[in-house]
Amino acid sequence: GQQLNQSPQSMFIQEGEDVSMNCTSSSIFNTWLWYKQDPGEGPVLLIALYKAGELTSNGRLTAQFGITRKDSFLNISASIPSDVGIYFCAGPPAKETSGSRLTFGEGTQLTVNP
Amino acid sequence: GAGVSQSPSNKVTEKGKDVELRCDPISGHTALYWYRQSLGQGLEFLIYFQGNSAPDKSGLPSDRFSAERTGGSVSTLTIQRTQQEDSAVYLCASSLAVLWETQYFGPGTRLLVL
Repeated sequence: GQQLNQSPQSMFIQEGEDVSMNCTSSSIFNTWLWYKQDPGEGPVLLIALYKAGELTSNGRLTAQFGITRKDSFLNISASIPSDVGIYFCAGPPAKETSGSRLTFGEGTQLTVNP
Repeated sequence: GAGVSQSPSNKVTEKGKDVELRCDPISGHTALYWYRQSLGQGLEFLIYFQGNSAPDKSGLPSDRFSAERTGGSVSTLTIQRTQQEDSAVYLCASSLAVLWETQYFGPGTRLLVL
């Protein structure tokens, strides 16, 4: 199936620092989604991107849909302890004929030290 | 509740036994999805239901896995003759048909096969 390469796999930062993570694919995506998963919970949608080049913010989070449609990044500014969790990129590949499945990256585990 | 609910939250079973996992989607959401998340991994698509259409079963890993959705609402994922490699978190999501890529997840069922 389609693969999303997400990096880094894990990050350990101090409270107040900015964070950047990215996702790349060998295939074109029409939509990029960023989710956060807290321990014992399902993923929660943070940001959805629908257009190449789009830059979207949600509070301290900013995400961009790459011009090539094969990558996306997520930035978190001024991190706080509750930002701890696993961040996933996801999307429906443009060539996906089933139309509905999402392909997920393997996640970035973020740890924020107070 | 207003969100996607799943039951049981945890399930421990013996190898060879059958298990049933339940999902209650958000009211009004016509699309329902099942994903599997192995430890430290991203989400793996299993099956998708949309209204009265035939489900997309292309992600089911073997014929031991099946799912049904009765009355267009509640769904049950059944794993027959469970194997240790079936141990994972099984996540259900639902979405509005017109915004199918914006999927809302339940908390998951943690399955452990001994």
